[in-house]
Amino acid sequence: GAVVSQHPSRVICKSGTSVKIECRSLDFQATTMFWYRQFPKQSLMLMATSNEGSKATYEQGVEKDKFLINHASLTLSTLTVTSAHPEDSSFYICSAREPLAGKYEQYFGPGTRLTVT
Amino acid sequence: AQKVTQAQTEISVVEKEDVTLDCVYETRDTTYYLFWYKQPPSGELVFLIRRNSFDEQNEISGRYSWNFQKSTSSFNFTITASQVVDSAVYFCALSEARDYGQNFVFGPGTRLSVLP
Repeated sequence: GAVVSQHPSRVICKSGTSVKIECRSLDFQATTMFWYRQFPKQSLMLMATSNEGSKATYEQGVEKDKFLINHASLTLSTLTVTSAHPEDSSFYICSAREPLAGKYEQYFGPGTRLTVT
Repeated sequence: AQKVTQAQTEISVVEKEDVTLDCVYETRDTTYYLFWYKQPPSGELVFLIRRNSFDEQNEISGRYSWNFQKSTSSFNFTITASQVVDSAVYFCALSEARDYGQNFVFGPGTRLSVLP
């Protein structure tokens, strides 16, 4: 089946610094990738949708200048949390859509746990 | 707008008991998909099942079974003879088309604890 990886799996950074999270589709080309955020004991909330070669579409309430998303190739999307604050600490999960699998199929990465101290 | 409700926040059962996790959804689309995912403590989502809106046939996979009822907009998940390894958070999700892509809406999740 289609595999999505994320790197790093865990990251700790200091308040005010930026951190980049990578999402890769390993064995398929992903025209669309999605970024979710999950706070402890809560559900996954969609942050943004990125299409290869175009600007990401952010969900309401998500600051596009704080969460920079780049989908430069069909196998890689990156999420950069800029000027991180402790409240940005969360579990970030990406997913990728494989066109051949059909419109509604998404494959999820293993997630990245971000802790901002 | 689409919405997924999982009324049970937490469930505890003793091993070997059967347990049903409820999922109720709302959508205006006639074409959509429903999913169940398991999230163990490691955090990685484990895909369990996908069902499209045109297929109301119930499904059984080992100890897992799913009951899809369009008339009540429900897609319930039953674990038979539960085991400690079933302990996890279970999410029901709905996917329908949007202009710019496909939107997954997750329910709030049900935390299942299976006690030995």
